[in-house]
Amino acid sequence: QTVVTQEPSLTVSPGGTVTLTCASSTGAVTSGYYPNWFQQKPGQAPRALIYSISNKHSWTPARFSGSLLGGKAALTLSGVQPEDEAEYYCLLYCGGAFWVFGGGTKLTVL
Amino acid sequence: EVQLVESGGGLVQPGGSLRLSCAASGFTFRSYWMSWVRQAPGKGLEWVANINQDGSAKYYVDSVKGRFTISRDNAKNSLYLQMNSLRAEDMAVYYCASWWKDSSGWSLVYWGQGTRVTVSS
Repeated sequence: QTVVTQEPSLTVSPGGTVTLTCASSTGAVTSGYYPNWFQQKPGQAPRALIYSISNKHSWTPARFSGSLLGGKAALTLSGVQPEDEAEYYCLLYCGGAFWVFGGGTKLTVL
Repeated sequence: EVQLVESGGGLVQPGGSLRLSCAASGFTFRSYWMSWVRQAPGKGLEWVANINQDGSAKYYVDSVKGRFTISRDNAKNSLYLQMNSLRAEDMAVYYCASWWKDSSGWSLVYWGQGTRVTVSS
């Protein structure tokens, strides 16, 4: 079974920039993995941010962007705000209608 | 406004059964793939199952195959998860979520607030 790996935790200063990554145990992440990114705050349901590498939803703040970086899916936050402190999850398509979440990255804004 | 409202969670003994429901509104339910996603206490998200628009295709994570059944009733705008032979490791908050597909790809776009399943004797 595919394992999807994210950084367990990252810390960023307010106004700074941080990049979260999402790797697949099967090899380089490509567009065919349709990488999705989600934000989850304590006690809340996840919220979709990015899909298919870099596509944003209408509610996704402009400071969030998605890309492929070095064989991984990446989520970059530019001009980080205190309210961006949350857990971030990626989701990858692994074929045959099967999907796998990454373990999540706890982002601290300090 | 899109709404997904889960229900049916609760306390069940190991080996027991539970049926979760998800009531959808605010979108054309019958046109979308749907999923169940779970989150064990203090843990990350885990995709559990997918079902296509007419219910003819269903997919499961290996750990629930043969024990869980996803289904839907498009006339009632409802999604279900029948969970049998429940184990301690199935204890989690279960989320119902809908897929969005466009020319760019797939998004697990809308989520309910979740229903909690506790497996304990």
